Amino acid sequence: GAVVSQHPSWVICKSGTSVKIECRSLDFQATTMFWYRQFPKQSLMLMATSNEGSKATYEQGVEKDKFLINHASLTLSTLTVTSAHPEDSSFYICSAELSGSYEQYFGPGTRLTVT
Amino acid sequence: LAKTTQPISMDSYEGQEVNITCSHNNIATNDYITWYQQFPSQGPRFIIQGYKTKVTNEVASLFIPADRKSSTLSLPRVSLSDTAVYYCLVVFVTSGTYKYIFGTGTRLKVLA
Repeated sequence: GAVVSQHPSWVICKSGTSVKIECRSLDFQATTMFWYRQFPKQSLMLMATSNEGSKATYEQGVEKDKFLINHASLTLSTLTVTSAHPEDSSFYICSAELSGSYEQYFGPGTRLTVT
Repeated sequence: LAKTTQPISMDSYEGQEVNITCSHNNIATNDYITWYQQFPSQGPRFIIQGYKTKVTNEVASLFIPADRKSSTLSLPRVSLSDTAVYYCLVVFVTSGTYKYIFGTGTRLKVLA
């Protein structure tokens, strides 16, 4: 149980284009989903918290107009990296919180490379 | 400033017990501590979660002292496949908002 999927698992895009990453909770409903970013050999950094049906809460230093988050249903959240640049290349990981448990279950991650 | 600190790396041999500690001085009263395992290019995998004293499941134990300023993940009889990075995750309450902060991560290497 508590499986989270991400799509795509990896993507290469050209500088200036936009990329959308999907995060789905497959066997449970998630009121709250999280988006993290991880650089090589570093810890996960929380980018934003999204609650179903409301606007995402972004961490300090994360540009909300660049990283668009939509949480339209209890099983799906999307992250769109707009006008991507090489410095946006990273490993993006989503998680979904099991309601009432404070347990986060993570997706397998999406490796984004911007050329 | 909310912060969690872990040892950078640890080595162990197969069959040994491994204890990894996370320091979290500013933890809030009602917040939980969660530990995750991460392999390269994969998302973190939930190991165990606790609030106080001791929690045990089929893969690990979590020890939390009364002051809750630290927690220790205990892995009994590790095997080569336990080589991974281990993170603690703590929720800090700052100015009325919740901040989810991962520890710095401990790279565990299990040797044959």
